Amino acid sequence: AQSVTQLDSHVSVSEGTPVLLRCNYSSSYSPSLFWYVQHPNKGLQLLLKYTSAATLVKGINGFEAEFKKSETSFHLTKPSAHMSDAAEYFCVAPAVGTSYGKLTFGQGTILTVHP
Amino acid sequence: DVKVTQSSRYLVKRTGEKVFLECVQDMDHENMFWYRQDPGLGLRLIYFSYDVKMKEKGDIPEGYSVSREKKERFSLILESASTNQTSMYLCASTYLRASGSSGANVLTFGAGSRLTVL
Repeated sequence: AQSVTQLDSHVSVSEGTPVLLRCNYSSSYSPSLFWYVQHPNKGLQLLLKYTSAATLVKGINGFEAEFKKSETSFHLTKPSAHMSDAAEYFCVAPAVGTSYGKLTFGQGTILTVHP
Repeated sequence: DVKVTQSSRYLVKRTGEKVFLECVQDMDHENMFWYRQDPGLGLRLIYFSYDVKMKEKGDIPEGYSVSREKKERFSLILESASTNQTSMYLCASTYLRASGSSGANVLTFGAGSRLTVL
């Protein structure tokens, strides 16, 4: 079964500096992968998704992620952090071998942005 | 513009009480899910439903049951609440029916229900 591992539980950056949130996946073949974001007291919102059409995926709010099969990684980046980016981010993959849209969630990375 | 609505944002219940968490979606999605979210553990699937009256256990179904009498509504039931069920509960839905493989399903989430069991 596919699984995802988020390598950092907390990331802290200053406003205007780059953001890197790391995610590794395990799978025997090219997967579908997602990043979701959860702002405080809100539900999860899709940030971007990879479906093998292109390895560099652009999402909302200036975020992007690059699928690297050789490294089994799908890291999320943003060139310049904004205060409104402070949230929890989840790397997500379909639970391969099952159906009906079941997903496997990473443990989450809390992003803090300092002024 | 709300598409997945969870009826209660905050609940406080006592140990042993029966608890109902309601979720309604207005997108005509076949699939609906209940997750619980705990710090450091991400989201874990409790139950999901792929059609009216159909349900399957997720990864942590113990202590929970569900009901799907209408397509738009999916209820999570805690028959006898315990303190270890204190958590954030998230409902989600998606349009994709059985894919059989790695379908790229995008879930729409509700805002969550934070349950405290005393």
